[in-house]
Amino acid sequence: AQRVTQPEKLLSVFKGAPVELKCNYSYSGSPELFWYVQYSRQRLQLLLRHISRESIKGFTADLNKGETSFHLKKPFAQEEDSAMYYCALKGPGGYNKLIFGAGTRLAVHP
Amino acid sequence: DAGVTQSPTHLIKTRGQHVTLRCSPISGHKSVSWYQQVLGQGPQFIFQYYEKEERGRGNFPDRFSARQFPNYSSELNVNALLLGDSALYLCASSLVGSGGRGGGETQYFGPGTRLLVL
Repeated sequence: AQRVTQPEKLLSVFKGAPVELKCNYSYSGSPELFWYVQYSRQRLQLLLRHISRESIKGFTADLNKGETSFHLKKPFAQEEDSAMYYCALKGPGGYNKLIFGAGTRLAVHP
Repeated sequence: DAGVTQSPTHLIKTRGQHVTLRCSPISGHKSVSWYQQVLGQGPQFIFQYYEKEERGRGNFPDRFSARQFPNYSSELNVNALLLGDSALYLCASSLVGSGGRGGGETQYFGPGTRLLVL
């Protein structure tokens, strides 16, 4: 079955420290993976997708098929990065179904 | 453009009642998807509609139904409400909704409707 696992509910770091939000997936086939972010009092929004291989707000994520992981990384955390981060996998079936992990709350302290 | 809009923002119902939630997609978007987010969990897919037809359905009971109108807005209906239906219901719109490869279509989420069932 398709599944996304985010093992950490909360990740707490100091400003300037490196950040790695973990995401592991289970999927038979070629996965399409996304990171969504929700800042306080804002709606859920796309941060980045693996197929674009882009860097948004200093965040990057590399798909590792061997380890079935799609960890989100940033070398130097900023206070404004504090938010809820969700890893998501596009489900099978040719329609727009996203399978989300439970999310990790990132808290960046000054 | 205001983005995806949902109404109402909050709703309180009692067990056994029926509820209708509404969603207006971004102008030009023809696909609407619904998700349920229970506290402490990620969103869970309920339905996708495109051009007024159901394209996909998640693992939800028949008490949940939806429809899409000619203007691409959508309604989510839940009958015989249970306490466990208490959640944030999210609507997301996308241009086409094929979910095809070569890009993975971006879904734009609304602010959600928070439903409390007592």
